[in-house]
Formats: sequence, structure tokens, C-alpha cells
Amino acid sequence: QKEVEQNSGPLSVPEGAIASLNCTYSDRGSQSFFWYRQYSGKSPELIMFIYSNGDKEDGRFTAQLNKASQYVSLLIRDSQPSDSATYLCAVKGGGTASKLTFGTGTRLQVTL
Amino acid sequence: SQTIHQWPATLVQPVGSPLSLECTVEGTSNPNLYWYRQAAGRGLQLLFYSVGIGQISSEVPQNLSASRPQDRQFILSSKKLLLSDSGFYLCAWTRTGTEAFFGQGTRLTVV
Repeated sequence: QKEVEQNSGPLSVPEGAIASLNCTYSDRGSQSFFWYRQYSGKSPELIMFIYSNGDKEDGRFTAQLNKASQYVSLLIRDSQPSDSATYLCAVKGGGTASKLTFGTGTRLQVTL
Repeated sequence: SQTIHQWPATLVQPVGSPLSLECTVEGTSNPNLYWYRQAAGRGLQLLFYSVGIGQISSEVPQNLSASRPQDRQFILSSKKLLLSDSGFYLCAWTRTGTEAFFGQGTRLTVV
């Protein structure tokens, strides 16, 4: 079982719609959860982080965490063509020696 | 503010040649440092991570090695490159429990 799993996509949504990206993780001791966006040929950039169960909103983005189900998601409202990219879920355990593990990413395509 | 420098941006190396990629972080102390590799169209594969000087954890057995000679310096090396070493190499830093920040990456092509 992979440590962090994502559907590779592509996920295609029309402009203005809500895009829903999902991620599951295997380590119940995971403490920190991150969503990164990566454009082709570029390095990942942080969109959201979430540490506690529930929802966290930032502009058009909402991260949702359910530790009991080991599930984290990212919702993008009013999707724009500029949101077309690969979205990476990352998980980090607690403690100073914990590593940051990424999923393989979901490719999002926002169509006109 | 913190910044991370990674160089070179692109590199073309023949099979069997050595490799040295360097990453430095400014504006913070005692960061956790990471080397990732991303093959074309694939996800990020964690290669090495370090929580302090001289402390290296290896995630994938291969012909690469890493060193951390100074607190904010992380080096990825190879004595002899293979074709399969081609990819996009990313250095990242993080503090405990916080988000990771990435360098601009090095695109390595082994020919």
C-alpha cells in the first residue's frame, strides 16, 4: 500500500465549476497535511496546509481533513483555466525526524 | 525571509560521469532538508532527508548519495550516473510541522 494515494486523473471540470481532489494516507500518526500545485516543468508551490480535523478555507480553496478516515481533500471553487495543473498531496508525521511524503498527484484540467 | 537556492537549473551529463547538485537555505537555522526526484510525468520520489549536520536518511537504495556538511547546505552526489538517473531534482526545506519550500529544481538529462 502506498503511503499517500491520489487518483492520477486527468480530472476535467468546466470553467466556473467546483473541482474536488482527494487523497488518502496510510500512517495514522500523520500530523500535517499539505496541498501543492505544480505547473509543468516548475517546482511545487504550496496552496494550503491543514493540521486539524474539519475544513479550512482560503479564498477559492478549501482543504478538508478527516483523520479517522485518513482522508484529506481539496476543493477549488469557481475553477479557472489557470488552475489547470497537477495537485500534489503531502503528509508529514510528528516529531523532528518525520519525513514529508508526497502522493503522485492529480492532474486537473479546467476547460472553457 | 527564507530563501532556498538550488543549482544548476539544467544539466546534461554523459553516462558514467559524476554528479554534484547543491542546495543552500538562507534565513533559517536547523532546517529539515530533502532531496526529491521527479521522473517525467510522475510524482515526487523522496531520495534523502536530513534533520541535522551529518544526519542523512536514505529512502531509496541507488547509486546516489547525499551529504550535509553545513547546517544549511545539502548536496546530492553520484560517482557514476546511469540513464535512469535522468529527472527533475528538487531540494526542499521545512521546519518541524510546517510546510515545505522548494528550490527551482535541476533538470538532469543523462545521455
